Amino acid sequence: GAGVSQSPRYKVTKRGQDVALRCDPISGHVSLYWYRQALGQGPEFLTYFNYEAQQDKSGLPNDRFSAERPEGSISTLTIQRTEQRDSAMYRCASSLVNLGNEQFFGPGTRLTVL
Amino acid sequence: GEDVEQSLFLSVREGDSSVINCTYTDSSSTYLYWYKQEPGAGLQLLTYIFSNMDMKQDQRLTVLLNKKDKHLSLRIADTQTGDSAIYFCAEIASGTYKYIFGTGTRLKVLA
Repeated sequence: GAGVSQSPRYKVTKRGQDVALRCDPISGHVSLYWYRQALGQGPEFLTYFNYEAQQDKSGLPNDRFSAERPEGSISTLTIQRTEQRDSAMYRCASSLVNLGNEQFFGPGTRLTVL
Repeated sequence: GEDVEQSLFLSVREGDSSVINCTYTDSSSTYLYWYKQEPGAGLQLLTYIFSNMDMKQDQRLTVLLNKKDKHLSLRIADTQTGDSAIYFCAEIASGTYKYIFGTGTRLKVLA
């Protein structure tokens, strides 16, 4: 596609439910990143993939958060047993290669946990 | 540690110049970026500068980098109402892939 797409754009869920957020990177982009952006803050790094390999998951806040990119293209960020503090904008980005290459961001998924 | 700071708000009149400032702490940063965030849209890369440069100009945008003070600025000439948005600076260190973003500056352009 022309840019990075994310779905759903908005997700409202009840506390304790699991959610899955999808990211479709720019075709041919090797690297894919997930960020979380709280209201009034800049995005914070969560995890990063090179092709299908998860290279760094140091930013995932706890073991309720996981991500996968099984075929090296679309990625899913899953949050299990959601809590109110998980409410945020979740942003995905992709780049042609890693190591300083420009990252192109998607529109984000706004998650609200009630 | 890694920390990127920006002032939260800036208000200017249409046609004036805007200057958005950013300070960073990672002296090994090799690339510094300015992103624009509009409501409902993703982060859009505006411009970037390599750490071995002092200045970069791109149409209405001028980026100044003071490595000694770890200070980065973005000047927007002839600011228009369409420039109203949140502007983020971000740094990335050599050999890494993690962007470290600032808190964002909300620019409001008054007609």
